[in-house]
Amino acid sequence: EAQVTQNPRYLITVTGKKLTVTCSQNMNHEYMSWYRQDPGLGLRQIYYSMNVEVTDKGDVPEGYKVSRKEKRNFPLILESPSPNQTSLYFCASSFLGKGTDTQYFGPGTRLTVL
Amino acid sequence: GQQLNQSPQSMFIQEGEDVSMNCTSSSIFNTWLWYKQDPGEGPVLLIALYKAGELTSNGRLTAQFGITRKDSFLNISASIPSDVGIYFCAGLSNFGNEKLTFGTGTRLTIIP
Repeated sequence: EAQVTQNPRYLITVTGKKLTVTCSQNMNHEYMSWYRQDPGLGLRQIYYSMNVEVTDKGDVPEGYKVSRKEKRNFPLILESPSPNQTSLYFCASSFLGKGTDTQYFGPGTRLTVL
Repeated sequence: GQQLNQSPQSMFIQEGEDVSMNCTSSSIFNTWLWYKQDPGEGPVLLIALYKAGELTSNGRLTAQFGITRKDSFLNISASIPSDVGIYFCAGLSNFGNEKLTFGTGTRLTIIP
């Protein structure tokens, strides 16, 4: 089954404790992206990757890092989480990242930073 | 970044009623997309629009790409309980990375 998986689905942590949210897709997609969803703000793009070893900033990259060492995985790293990073995070992938490609979203990771 | 204004923010309707929502932008987009998000899930693409003036249907859903390329509309006819969720518009502008900008969402609730 074609899918985007994220782990963990739920995470409660404390300020300053480094964490990684994993994302994996099994569709051989070149394009992957991370979004955060906050009430009243919709989805905002954090980082995206057009291919292996190619990453770029989205609209809200501050406080986040990503890596794309292999095509299927695109982890989101919070080196020193802060409470304002409490949010619902979605990973997405598409074939080439073109407008005509469907973006497939993962199930989401709800992060709470105390 | 760019902002998409989506309205209404929420809707409470009775089963069987028609639903209309829209999205406006201060910038031109080349592609408009409509997504639905079920509770506890990620967004799923409903309809994609690629040309100004285009009207596209997907079952009971109909969406239009505004002539000015700065707006889009989604209509749902004869709503049913499974239509409950959050609907997002998204615009795509071809400035290199073809980045999607999402609207703020319309939360649809159906009253039994």
